[in-house]
Amino acid sequence: DQQVKQNSPSLSVQEGRISILNCDYTNSMFDYFLWYKKYPAEGPTFLISISSIKDKNEDGRFTVFLNKSAKHLSLHIVPSQPGDSAVYFCAASEGNRDDKIIFGKGTRLHILP
Amino acid sequence: EAQVTQNPRYLITVTGKKLTVTCSQNMNHEYMSWYRQDPGLGLRQIYYSMNVEVTDKGDVPEGYKVSRKEKRNFPLILESPSPNQTSLYFCASSFIGDPIETQYFGPGTRLLVL
Repeated sequence: DQQVKQNSPSLSVQEGRISILNCDYTNSMFDYFLWYKKYPAEGPTFLISISSIKDKNEDGRFTVFLNKSAKHLSLHIVPSQPGDSAVYFCAASEGNRDDKIIFGKGTRLHILP
Repeated sequence: EAQVTQNPRYLITVTGKKLTVTCSQNMNHEYMSWYRQDPGLGLRQIYYSMNVEVTDKGDVPEGYKVSRKEKRNFPLILESPSPNQTSLYFCASSFIGDPIETQYFGPGTRLLVL
């Protein structure tokens, strides 16, 4: 049973527009959420995180929103740039210092010129 | 430069031929972990280690072995590889107790088992 779900395998967005990547989770014990970005031939790199005590965290062009009651989070990228084309993984953990991370399937984002 | 290295980066082998994928980190991290990434399944944890001589199963340990004889190294061993172990493998490491976003991932090893 998938505990972290990314239901969109891919997404195409025009350069300069907003990219919204969605993620749902089922485990109520999760209280820390992360987004990772992955380019081909490289390992995942951390992008942004959010604790369950917050509903929003912003870092430059990247904002993560958390709706705890709906068990849903989303990553907004504004404005989208060509270098944002990558696979994005949503991930969750039971604590921000718990080393066990559960990943979603990933969403491939294509930024169109 | 702080890094996690994996070797080889690419490997083609045949069913049943034992192989080892090495992972090494230069950050003195206690925690090390192996993941596999498969299309439509994301990253799934195979094994992890909290310190030297301490290893434990992750979510998909079947068909794999690991060892942690030294702090810096965490090799992944496939005693008798099968085609369903064709995958992209990532090693990761971190300090225990540090925020999990500080977990470093290696560049990946792409394995094809014929």
